[in-house]
Amino acid sequence: GENVEQHPSTLSVQEGDSAVIKCTYSDSASNYFPWYKQELGKGPQLIIDIRSNVGEKKDQRIAVTLNKTAKHFSLHITETQPEDSAVYFCAASIDQGAQKLVFGQGTRLTINP
Amino acid sequence: NAGVTQTPKFQVLKTGQSMTLQCAQDMNHNSMYWYRQDPGMGLRLIYYSASEGTTDKGEVPNGYNVSRLNKREFSLRLESAAPSQTSVYFCASSEAGQAYNSPLHFGNGTRLTVT
Repeated sequence: GENVEQHPSTLSVQEGDSAVIKCTYSDSASNYFPWYKQELGKGPQLIIDIRSNVGEKKDQRIAVTLNKTAKHFSLHITETQPEDSAVYFCAASIDQGAQKLVFGQGTRLTINP
Repeated sequence: NAGVTQTPKFQVLKTGQSMTLQCAQDMNHNSMYWYRQDPGMGLRLIYYSASEGTTDKGEVPNGYNVSRLNKREFSLRLESAAPSQTSVYFCASSEAGQAYNSPLHFGNGTRLTVT
């Protein structure tokens, strides 16, 4: 089955700097890669996703890149703000019907003012 | 529009006790899911229901049962709780079209402790 590895487990950056979180996956059949943000005491919330027919996707300060050959994808957050502090999860699945996501272990991002 | 609602928010059980975690969604989604979240392990799929009337096992189904009561509600039952089931449980739902995945919408979780 699919296995998703996520690094780093914790990340601390200065406000205004960029943050990068990386994930690798094992199943070459996976073709859908979402990123979720989890704030304290809440459930995860989708922030961006990418499908395997594109290599990069941007949404304001957030971007995701995908390298299908190397089987890795990354989340980039630019101009970080205190409200970006949260736990971030990457995930992978095959794009069909019910979504059986396999999640990475999570990255706790702290933005220092 | 409440989204995905889970009850209870917190629960403490003794080993061997049983309980049911409740989940309801008001977004008219077809698919519903139960995940557990443990430190350092991300979220792992326990069971899912692709549509009303169907349920299937995920990665970690042992020790759990589910019921898709209707399109809105999907419950998770622990028949004989074990300390290894201490975790935070999340219910989620998605529209789940035929070709493309739609985002998962999560509830705020149930924190379960088994002593």
